[in-house]
Amino acid sequence: AQKVTQAQTEISVVEKEDVTLDCVYETRDTTYYLFWYKQPPSGELVFLIRRNSFDEQNEISGRYSWNFQKSTSSFNFTITASQVVDSAVYFCALSEAGNSGGYQKVTFGTGTKLQVIP
Amino acid sequence: DGGITQSPKYLFRKEGQNVTLSCEQNLNHDAMYWYRQDPGQGLRLIYYSQIVNDFQKGDIAEGYSVSREKKESFPLTVTSAQKNPTAFYLCASSIGGRALNQPQHFGDGTRLSIL
Repeated sequence: AQKVTQAQTEISVVEKEDVTLDCVYETRDTTYYLFWYKQPPSGELVFLIRRNSFDEQNEISGRYSWNFQKSTSSFNFTITASQVVDSAVYFCALSEAGNSGGYQKVTFGTGTKLQVIP
Repeated sequence: DGGITQSPKYLFRKEGQNVTLSCEQNLNHDAMYWYRQDPGQGLRLIYYSQIVNDFQKGDIAEGYSVSREKKESFPLTVTSAQKNPTAFYLCASSIGGRALNQPQHFGDGTRLSIL
């Protein structure tokens, strides 16, 4: 079973529409972190946000907002009033203590490609 | 500016040839990682290193080798044993240690193709 599931492979929206990217994760640990990264066409992944397992407060940063719900093991990402520059692949990732010495182990989802049409 | 530099941006491999992808960071990070990205499969971990002179296999290490002789450098060799090397390769680094909250910083990637 996948540890991080991004069921939406590709999404297309028209500019100014709102869009939500889904992320469902699986872990037995009580302490973990969740991340979102953006990969523009240039290829480099850019860190957007992290959330720890004890903080379910939603966060808003400009047009971006994140909804973390432990009850459903979800960490969804919403872009309000989307813009063409938001077109990219977005990855959700889970950070846990690995089996080898407790070092950080990060598992990425398969990504959601977002296309914003002008 | 601090960051991660990957080179070359594009690389072509002939049958039976080993090729080496370069990854250099000036962020003073202890941990470094190599990922392979294929369409629809996200990022898969090839190798990682938590400290100089030490590295561990990731989920898909077969056909690859690495070294970590310097803190700043973590080159990846794609050997002839890797039968399907065509992919986008990403190098990343993080502060390291046992902190789970550290994001990874990524390079621009190397696109490897078979001739």
